[in-house]
Amino acid sequence: SQKIEQNSEALNIQEGKTATLTCNYTNYSPAYLQWYRQDPGRGPVFLLLIRENEKEKRKERLKVTFDTTLKQSLFHITASQPADSATYLCGDTGFQKLVFGTGTRLLVSP
Amino acid sequence: NAGVTQTPKFRVLKTGQSMTLLCAQDMNHEYMYWYRQDPGMGLRLIHYSVGEGTTAKGEVPDGYNVSRLKKQNFLLGLESAAPSQTSVYFCASSWGQGNQETQYFGPGTRLLVL
Repeated sequence: SQKIEQNSEALNIQEGKTATLTCNYTNYSPAYLQWYRQDPGRGPVFLLLIRENEKEKRKERLKVTFDTTLKQSLFHITASQPADSATYLCGDTGFQKLVFGTGTRLLVSP
Repeated sequence: NAGVTQTPKFRVLKTGQSMTLLCAQDMNHEYMYWYRQDPGMGLRLIHYSVGEGTTAKGEVPDGYNVSRLKKQNFLLGLESAAPSQTSVYFCASSWGQGNQETQYFGPGTRLLVL
């Protein structure tokens, strides 16, 4: 079946370092992927979208890459801050698809 | 603008009881969605609507019904609640579908079925 998978283990990093989160897809090729941030007790909030023909997309300290050979998208937060601690979801919200990964929790310690 | 709002925030039901979750959006979006989120399962689409008066099944529709009588509202009904429906329910809306269509999520409804 068509799946989007994210590492379920939490990622712990120190403030100031770059956090890298992974999103893998299997058994199909999404035309694009979206990344969302979810804080405890709240709904997901959109961060970035990247199309399959785009290698990289940036927004302030955030960067997303899309590697169709590896079937993978990477989400980077540079100069991470404790306020970046949250769960990050990868999703394909394409036409009649609407599939999300389970999310990866990021913990940034001071 | 309030964005997407959900009512209630939290509810406890007994097995077999019924209830309706209300979602409202003030962004004039055409598309609306109901998801459930469970630990280790991620967000799973229950039902969605591509416009007023339309509904369609998502990945996990069994045990749920929906209605979209007004463009701004999307109702999710549980006719006979089961413990397996204990979850956090999120409503979302978007202008449409496709690579430009960001989904805007509500704050969620936490449902516990005993």
